[in-house]
Amino acid sequence: DIQMTQSPSSLSASVGDRVTITCQASQDISNSLNWYQQKPGKVPKLLIYDASNLQTGVPSRFAGSGSGTHFTFTISSLQPEDIATYYCQQYYNPPITFGPGTKVDIK
Amino acid sequence: EVQLVESGGGLVQPGGSLRLSCAASGFTFSNYAMSWVRQAPGKGLEWVSSISGRGTSTYYSDSVKGRLTISRDNSQNTLYLQMNSLRAEDSAVYYCAKDGSYGPPRWFDPWGQGTLVSVSS
Repeated sequence: DIQMTQSPSSLSASVGDRVTITCQASQDISNSLNWYQQKPGKVPKLLIYDASNLQTGVPSRFAGSGSGTHFTFTISSLQPEDIATYYCQQYYNPPITFGPGTKVDIK
Repeated sequence: EVQLVESGGGLVQPGGSLRLSCAASGFTFSNYAMSWVRQAPGKGLEWVSSISGRGTSTYYSDSVKGRLTISRDNSQNTLYLQMNSLRAEDSAVYYCAKDGSYGPPRWFDPWGQGTLVSVSS
């Protein structure tokens, strides 16, 4: 199985800050990597698919990059409504696996 | 608008069975793979199972293989998860999700509201 790791596990940043989360795969997964946002008490929401494609309707302050084993998710200017846990997910090979999540708070 | 509505969750004893359903609307159901993803209380997301658009291909996580069975009825726009030999570690909110494509699972969008399964004596 492909293992996904994320760092950091949590972070606290100020409104307007640039926030970066990294996701590492245990083997090459090409660009088969998606990012989700889960706000407290809410359902997960797809933000980025295929490593760098912004899902329709998602604000442009969210972005993804990377390929192979190393991926990055960025919020260019953190907003109060971005408080959430963010997960990466690979689909290169079943079983599909998620990263453990990164919890983002406002400082 | 795509809508996914899960039902069938509840409290069940270890070793028991449960059948989850997910009623879909707002899209051509048979054109998309569908999946179940679960989340134990306070924990992360865990993929459970996926099924292709026609139902001819199914995929399972190792932790549920042989105990949980995914199926779909395209005439009723409904996804199912038959859960047998349930264990305490199966306790979670189970989400139904539409896939981004017809075949092997890729991404999940959108997700239903979830149905809670509790396995306890």
